[in-house]
Amino acid sequence: GENVEQHPSTLSVQEGDSAVIKCTYSDSASNYFPWYKQELGKGPQLIIDIRSNVGEKKDQRIAVTLNKTAKHFSLHITETQPEDSAVYFCAAPTSYDKVIFGPGTSLSVIP
Amino acid sequence: ETGVTQTPRHLVMGMTNKKSLKCEQHLGHNAMYWYKQSAKKPLELMFVYSLEERVENNSVPSRFSPECPNSSHLFLHLHTLQPEDSALYLCASSQLLAGGPNGLGGELFFGEGSRLTVL
Repeated sequence: GENVEQHPSTLSVQEGDSAVIKCTYSDSASNYFPWYKQELGKGPQLIIDIRSNVGEKKDQRIAVTLNKTAKHFSLHITETQPEDSAVYFCAAPTSYDKVIFGPGTSLSVIP
Repeated sequence: ETGVTQTPRHLVMGMTNKKSLKCEQHLGHNAMYWYKQSAKKPLELMFVYSLEERVENNSVPSRFSPECPNSSHLFLHLHTLQPEDSALYLCASSQLLAGGPNGLGGELFFGEGSRLTVL
């Protein structure tokens, strides 16, 4: 069945360093790839997304890259800050009425 | 009030109880979802409603019963649950169906969740 894998499961970086989280998906029909951030006690919130007709998208310190041939997409956070500490989820829609989420990456930014 | 609101935020129930979770969205969206979030597991899609019609029932046990009386409200009725059903239940909405063969994509707006504990 459809599957979304995400690595690493935990990531710890020093404040100011970069963080990279990678996801792979299985459904070749997927054409929309969002990233969600979930802070403690809150629901996930979209931070950036990309469609399959582009290879990269940036929004200030956050960027997402997509390699459709290899079926993977990555989240890049530069100049990390303590408030970036959260759990990050990638997701991909499937051919059916589902959005499949990755298992999540717990990011800790150490001041 | 804006966004997606879930009540109650916390719920403790026994295995023989009947309770309901409520979700309300003030965004004018047409699709609503229930997700289950357990520790160390991916978000699991439970139900999808589009224009008040259920379009997905992701092999969820019948002890979970959804209801969507209108496009702004979604309920999850709970009956004779098991301890392993303890989890955070998240409601979400989107303007259009977030999945599907047309690949509409689109942002999911989540509520803050209802933390359920089954004793």
